[in-house]
Amino acid sequence: AQTVTQSQPEMSVQEAETVTLSCTYDTSESNYYLFWYKQPPSRQMILVIRQEAYKQQNATENRFSVNFQKAAKSFSLKISDSQLGDTAMYFCAFILTGTASKLTFGTGTRLQVTL
Amino acid sequence: NAGVTQTPKFQVLKTGQSMTLQCAQDMNHNSMYWYRQDPGMGLRLIYYSASEGTTDKGEVPNGYNVSRLNKREFSLRLESAAPSQTSVYFCASTGTGVTGNTIYFGEGSWLTVV
Repeated sequence: AQTVTQSQPEMSVQEAETVTLSCTYDTSESNYYLFWYKQPPSRQMILVIRQEAYKQQNATENRFSVNFQKAAKSFSLKISDSQLGDTAMYFCAFILTGTASKLTFGTGTRLQVTL
Repeated sequence: NAGVTQTPKFQVLKTGQSMTLQCAQDMNHNSMYWYRQDPGMGLRLIYYSASEGTTDKGEVPNGYNVSRLNKREFSLRLESAAPSQTSVYFCASTGTGVTGNTIYFGEGSWLTVV
């Protein structure tokens, strides 16, 4: 069975600073996808970034980037130039390749961006 | 671009009442899911459907039933609602191809059982 662990229940960062959210996972499979989702107070689930396990290059989306360490089973999210609108819950998620697979989520990290 | 559509968005039920949450996706995805999210917690899988005609239990299936009506639609039914089922419910779908198993979520259905 796959598991996803987010060890930081809450984090805080000042506006314009950089913050890194941690995620580790456990699987015996080699083909999978990893995701970071943002959930603002509206509770909508918003895709932030996606990483294919077979790609060595770390994914980036504007101010968001990941540090994917496959051997260590680590998938951290770096938010640069933090903005007040980044305040939200952030969930790390995992899915094996193939449509017959279940999605597995971490328990989330609550990020607060302050002035 | 509708994506994943859930109805209703808000519902208040009395204990013992039944209701069905509807979900439809227009992305031709094979897999669909129902999750619940309780306050301050992550998402827990209730049921999922890997393809049309198949359904499987997730972590917390008790008190729920599902129907994969066709490829587009996946409904969640509460036969006899209990206060413990007060939660936000999310429908999601995934496919393959260029979207590569990316998870698409509906906007959530807020259910209160009194």
